[in-house]
Amino acid sequence: KNQVEQSPQSLIILEGKNCTLQCNYTVSPFSNLRWYKQDTGRGPVSLTIMTFSENTKSNGRYTATLDADTKQSSLHITASQLSDSASYICVVSLLYNQGGKLIFGQGTELSVKP
Amino acid sequence: EAQVTQNPRYLITVTGKKLTVTCSQNMNHEYMSWYRQDPGLGLRQIYYSMNVEVTDKGDVPEGYKVSRKEKRNFPLILESPSPNQTSLYFCASSPLGGVVTEAFFGQGTRLTVV
Repeated sequence: KNQVEQSPQSLIILEGKNCTLQCNYTVSPFSNLRWYKQDTGRGPVSLTIMTFSENTKSNGRYTATLDADTKQSSLHITASQLSDSASYICVVSLLYNQGGKLIFGQGTELSVKP
Repeated sequence: EAQVTQNPRYLITVTGKKLTVTCSQNMNHEYMSWYRQDPGLGLRQIYYSMNVEVTDKGDVPEGYKVSRKEKRNFPLILESPSPNQTSLYFCASSPLGGVVTEAFFGQGTRLTVV
């Protein structure tokens, strides 16, 4: 069964600190892995997309890593800001010939406190 | 501005009263899909469409209908809403083809069925 598991479910950190969110997946056939940021009540917004051959990708203070052998990914947030408070969702995409379906994790709820 | 527009943003209705949630995208994307998001369950796909007049069921299609008469529009229809369809709904679109395609999400529709 295709699944994406994220940890922790929720996290509270102080402004300025770093944090790392984890994602494990069992999805086949794998096409790419994405991290989305979702503000409360809003639609998800893409942070990074990585294919099988990429093992790291950055977007400003966000850095995602991918280990395709162990089927694990992480999202590292550097020097957190209050605006980073949101849900972060790991999403794995099936190959195009499987409809390009997206398999969503349940998300990690991040709260950044002053 | 490239965007996916959903309407309405909020809707309260009574059991059994037919309703339609509209979704429109201005990016000429072939692929469109509907998701529902419930606490602790993440986003689950309801229906998707890979092109005009081509639609298929996602993971939780029961109680929903869709149509794709034009490329830009993908309405979600609830013929006889029930309280278990109370949820946050998102429409998304993406181009087809290529290894990695970005998915764009609408702002969401919060539906309450009483």
